[in-house]
Amino acid sequence: AQSVTQLGSHVSVSEGALVLLRCNYSSSVPPYLFWYVQYPNQGLQLLLKYTTGATLVKGINGFEAEFKKSETSFHLTKPSAHMSDAAEYFCAVSGGSARQLTFGSGTQLTVLP
Amino acid sequence: GAGVSQSPSNKVTEKGKDVELRCDPISGHTALYWYRQSLGQGLEFLIYFQGNSAPDKSGLPSDRFSAERTGGSVSTLTIQRTQQEDSAVYLCASSLTRTGGNTIYFGEGSWLTVV
Repeated sequence: AQSVTQLGSHVSVSEGALVLLRCNYSSSVPPYLFWYVQYPNQGLQLLLKYTTGATLVKGINGFEAEFKKSETSFHLTKPSAHMSDAAEYFCAVSGGSARQLTFGSGTQLTVLP
Repeated sequence: GAGVSQSPSNKVTEKGKDVELRCDPISGHTALYWYRQSLGQGLEFLIYFQGNSAPDKSGLPSDRFSAERTGGSVSTLTIQRTQQEDSAVYLCASSLTRTGGNTIYFGEGSWLTVV
């Protein structure tokens, strides 16, 4: 079985500040890891994913995440927050015989002016 | 199509009625997924299709829920005798194949309100 834990259901940062959204996973097989963003009243959009290879993954809109196997983590970061980054962010895992994504409970990011 | 298309985008129904939600995946995508997103809840997996078969129905919450896929394309999620707790956003997604690392693309969702 796979699971994802997102620490902090709500995170607030000032515009221009570092964004750090935490994600820890549990998987008995090598995981595939994803970050999705959901803007109000919209579907989910892929930000980035880790499958194999380089553990630092760069995504859209200046976001990146680092896969750390020893820490079972895949935290999402962005050096400088923008007002348009305000949204809900979901971390997800798949792998092995599990063909579907298992999602975390989400983190609502608020960007303060 | 260019993206995953879902209809209706919004549906208000009376308790006890049946509803059908439709999903048109990205052309050529063999894998199709249904998820449910309830207010204050995360994303709950419902069912997964590979082609027209559903090897994983483990997430369907009750026998009032069913889904089918025809022609390896369009899928319909049916909820019979709707209850208020069925109110949620139903998200459909598709991916090129069932390989775990493939990107899963989501539609905009069907917002269901049971009154």
